[in-house]
Amino acid sequence: DSGVTQTPKHLITATGQRVTLRCSPRSGDLSVYWYQQSLDQGLQFLIQYYNGEERAKGNILERFSAQQFPDLHSELNLSSLELGDSALYFCASSVELAGSPRTQYFGPGTRLLVL
Amino acid sequence: AQKVTQAQTEISVVEKEDVTLDCVYETRDTTYYLFWYKQPPSGELVFLIRRNSFDEQNEISGRYSWNFQKSTSSFNFTITASQVVDSAVYFCALIEAQGGSEKLVFGKGTKLTVNP
Repeated sequence: DSGVTQTPKHLITATGQRVTLRCSPRSGDLSVYWYQQSLDQGLQFLIQYYNGEERAKGNILERFSAQQFPDLHSELNLSSLELGDSALYFCASSVELAGSPRTQYFGPGTRLLVL
Repeated sequence: AQKVTQAQTEISVVEKEDVTLDCVYETRDTTYYLFWYKQPPSGELVFLIRRNSFDEQNEISGRYSWNFQKSTSSFNFTITASQVVDSAVYFCALIEAQGGSEKLVFGKGTKLTVNP
């Protein structure tokens, strides 16, 4: 158990809908990262937050957005869902250390199926 | 741009065999960080090891060992005396130090099946 929690574990929805994925980082970790794992694209970085502020952005679609709240939990919002958004979405967290990227510990993932 | 290549898509071995998973990386940076993660059938991503580019010592942890060779840009992972529980997809990943980015760039993964 990495200490990172994600809810829900599974989500089934229809095209055009909107969903929210939730992540709680490990105790003390200020950085939260979101990754998407799909069969065709593999594991892709989406976005990083550090202590409530957006730190880095990857190949995140405009239909997707995220935020990190004062209690450090994060939410990934996916809207106008398409079949191709079906994937496993991971959240990871790490502790901040100046000058050196820290190890990212991953949650169990949320499996999203868009029908 | 940074890139991680895991040329072996799938490997199948019989229990107690040794197996090496290859990882080749590309980076323009002189300082970078390499990782291995394991994804068992249950789906979670489990951190195995981190190696900094300035530390070329190889590492052994039980049946696991890692061989880091800067000269060939490789960071290979060997499992000695494999067990059925080692069956999983293994990912090699890279972080460059420049620019403050902390995004992990993953290889496509190697699916290891250990048969009894």
